[in-house]
Amino acid sequence: AQSVTQPDIHITVSEGASLELRCNYSYGATPYLFWYVQSPGQGLQLLLKYFSGDTLVQGIKGFEAEFKRSQSSFNLRKPSVHWSDAAEYFCAVRIMNNNAGNMLTFGGGTRLMVKP
Amino acid sequence: SQTIHQWPATLVQPVGSPLSLECTVEGTSNPNLYWYRQAAGRGLQLLFYSVGIGQISSEVPQNLSASRPQDRQFILSSKKLLLSDSGFYLCAFAGQGSSPLHFGNGTRLTVT
Repeated sequence: AQSVTQPDIHITVSEGASLELRCNYSYGATPYLFWYVQSPGQGLQLLLKYFSGDTLVQGIKGFEAEFKRSQSSFNLRKPSVHWSDAAEYFCAVRIMNNNAGNMLTFGGGTRLMVKP
Repeated sequence: SQTIHQWPATLVQPVGSPLSLECTVEGTSNPNLYWYRQAAGRGLQLLFYSVGIGQISSEVPQNLSASRPQDRQFILSSKKLLLSDSGFYLCAFAGQGSSPLHFGNGTRLTVT
């Protein structure tokens, strides 16, 4: 069965510092991978997605992620964090199941805190 | 454009009372629809999904049920709420093919 692991439950970085959030997946076939962001009390907003092609994908708000098949990873990065980036971040993998449409399996999330 | 509406935003209900959360989608037809629950400090758990009217699949056994009376309407219900039903409920939809999931703003349910 597919699974997604986000090893870091909490991460604190200083404003202006670089950021990398880790995501590892377990899935037998080529995955479709996603990163979502959730502000407190809000729904999830799609940051970026990887389906195929270039393994470095660009997303909104200055985020990017790199798919590394050899490491089964899809880490999210940002070169310079802003205070407004404080939120919870979820990595997800899509399973291609004819009965389930395009259902996602989510990691446990990483809560990002930004120090001024 | 495609949009998703979910209500109410917050809800406080006593144990044993019924529940009905509604989700509607605009700007797309025959979407795949999903209900997720997010307990405090935890990730997202898929509760139900639907690939068509009247077609509901449950991922976990529980006190809740879902219905899809119309193509773009998805309802989460319970006859008698439990304390353990408290949480943040998120509705989501996706179009066909490789479309990503789009989420509503969620409903914060507190069972007292």
